[in-house]
Amino acid sequence: SQQGEEDPQALSIQEGENATMNCSYKTSINNLQWYRQNSGRGLVHLILIRSNEREKHSGRLRVTLDTSKKSSSLLITASRAADTASYFCATAYSNDYKLSFGAGTTVTVRA
Amino acid sequence: NAGVTQTPKFQVLKTGQSMTLQCAQDMNHEYMSWYRQDPGMGLRLIHYSVGAGITDQGEVPNGYNVSRSTTEDFPLRLLSAAPSQTSVYFCASSYGGVNTEAFFGQGTRLTVV
Repeated sequence: SQQGEEDPQALSIQEGENATMNCSYKTSINNLQWYRQNSGRGLVHLILIRSNEREKHSGRLRVTLDTSKKSSSLLITASRAADTASYFCATAYSNDYKLSFGAGTTVTVRA
Repeated sequence: NAGVTQTPKFQVLKTGQSMTLQCAQDMNHEYMSWYRQDPGMGLRLIHYSVGAGITDQGEVPNGYNVSRSTTEDFPLRLLSAAPSQTSVYFCASSYGGVNTEAFFGQGTRLTVV
């Protein structure tokens, strides 16, 4: 399978702390996307980073991409209880119409 | 803006029954897809469509059929339900295929007994 793999599987942090999760993939990508899923809900798109980009920001989110290591990281700064969710990376490959998802990282933010 | 709408939200089927999961989007997106989500396995692609009249198989297509007669609708049909198809099903759409953000529906939780 070409899907990305997230690490760690689960993460528990105190409110106000930063949360970092990683995604590794196997072959060259066109872009990599991060999604959030709250319990029992659909996925919500967070950030898309293209293969020629190294870093992107959106509010308290920072995504990096290292194509030489075939890995990406998602950093959530100053976490809040509302950040409690599962986070998924998804990879898209050139000349392909399929988006491949990893198994996700479950983040719990404790008050 | 309704976005991506899936119906029903919950469904219980008996083994061997057939049913159609509905998906509709109002964003004029050409690309639509169906995923299933099982515990610990992330989302797996079942079928996708790059436009009306065009569909193709994803990672786990067996036991499912799709059609795309309009841009707005992309129904998923279970031909003869099996317990292994117990899952949460998500429909998604995007403007530029896999190169732009995908919008997901709220999901259909299906149980096959």
